[in-house]
Amino acid sequence: EIVMTQSPATLSVSPGERATLSCRASQSVSSNLAWYQQKPGQAPRLLIYGASTRATGIPARFSGSGSGTEFTLTISSLQSEDFAVYYCQQYNNWPPTFGGGTKVEIK
Amino acid sequence: EVQLVESGGGLVQPGGSLRLSCAASGFTFSSYEMNWVRQAPGKGLEWVSYISSSGSTIYYADSVKGRFTISRDNAKNSLYLQMNSLRAEDTAVYYCARLYYDDFFDYWGQGTLVTVSS
Repeated sequence: EIVMTQSPATLSVSPGERATLSCRASQSVSSNLAWYQQKPGQAPRLLIYGASTRATGIPARFSGSGSGTEFTLTISSLQSEDFAVYYCQQYNNWPPTFGGGTKVEIK
Repeated sequence: EVQLVESGGGLVQPGGSLRLSCAASGFTFSSYEMNWVRQAPGKGLEWVSYISSSGSTIYYADSVKGRFTISRDNAKNSLYLQMNSLRAEDTAVYYCARLYYDDFFDYWGQGTLVTVSS
């Protein structure tokens, strides 16, 4: 199965600053990559699919890029509600696999 | 509005059984593939099982194969997970999640906690 590796494990950012999260696949997943946001005590929420397409209702400050094995989620100007854990997930090969997550915390 | 509501979690002894349910509403349940995804306390997400829209195709993670059974009742808009021979490492929040046309998980339930402990 494809192993997804996210870095860093924790990212400390001040409100209003830019956050850049990375996700690497152990083999090419083309653009078949999704990003999810999870807040404490809540279910994951779909942010990005197809590596760069925002899901319905997701603010424009969230953007995704990359293809193949290297992917990036960028939050252009962090708002208080953006502090959460972010997961990447590949759906190019079965089974679907998730990265270990990046926690974005307030600096 | 799409809604997925899980139930059936609780405390069970090692070796015991539990049946989880997921009630779906707000969409044509019979048209979508469904999944169970779990999250151990303080850990990441792990896909557990998949069932096709008709129920004819089923997949399991190796970690649960032979112990868990996924099923659905399209007439009742419901998804199920029968969990047998439970182990401590099965302790997790279990989410039902809709699969968007064989791709990503576009909607998730709020989850139900399963604790396996003596």
